[in-house]
Amino acid sequence: GQQLNQSPQSMFIQEGEDVSMNCTSSSIFNTWLWYKQDPGEGPVLLIALYKAGELTSNGRLTAQFGITRKDSFLNISASIPSDVGIYFCAGFLTGTASKLTFGTGTRLQVTL
Amino acid sequence: ETGVTQTPRHLVMGMTNKKSLKCEQHLGHNAMYWYKQSAKKPLELMFVYSLEERVENNSVPSRFSPECPNSSHLFLHLHTLQPEDSALYLCASSQDMGVRSPLHFGNGTRLTVT
Repeated sequence: GQQLNQSPQSMFIQEGEDVSMNCTSSSIFNTWLWYKQDPGEGPVLLIALYKAGELTSNGRLTAQFGITRKDSFLNISASIPSDVGIYFCAGFLTGTASKLTFGTGTRLQVTL
Repeated sequence: ETGVTQTPRHLVMGMTNKKSLKCEQHLGHNAMYWYKQSAKKPLELMFVYSLEERVENNSVPSRFSPECPNSSHLFLHLHTLQPEDSALYLCASSQDMGVRSPLHFGNGTRLTVT
């Protein structure tokens, strides 16, 4: 089946630093989504991407739909303590939302 | 407040017990989902209901039994579980099953099987 590999698996950064993480797929996707899961809570959608090459921002977050359609990137600028959590990518090719494939997540920890 | 409420938040059960997880959504959505989240593994879709009809069952063992009595409520009935079933069980809903209808997740039930 389809697999999504997220990199890095975890990262420690200092407050104020910029963060980059990516997600690669073994096959092409038509939709890429980025979710964040805070400790003790469910995932929350951050950004949705629907077109190859698309670049979308949500506050300090920017995500891009890779031109090959097999990858996506998420950047966080000027990180703050509340950015702590697990960031999941998700994508799918065709069909309904039940065909969504999730990555294994990138755990972000921010030190002051 | 996510609009999707799951109860209980934590559950410890023995392998011979029977318990149920409850999910309620207040968003007026038509589709509801059960996911299993285990450490270091991707979210695994278990069941999908659309307009109260089950539309997907991803090879889930029969010891997990879903029920969707109406579009706002979803249950997961558990019986004779195994220790490897310990995980975070997440409920989600979406307006419909279209790709542009984002999933709204609840905060999950942390299940421990002893």
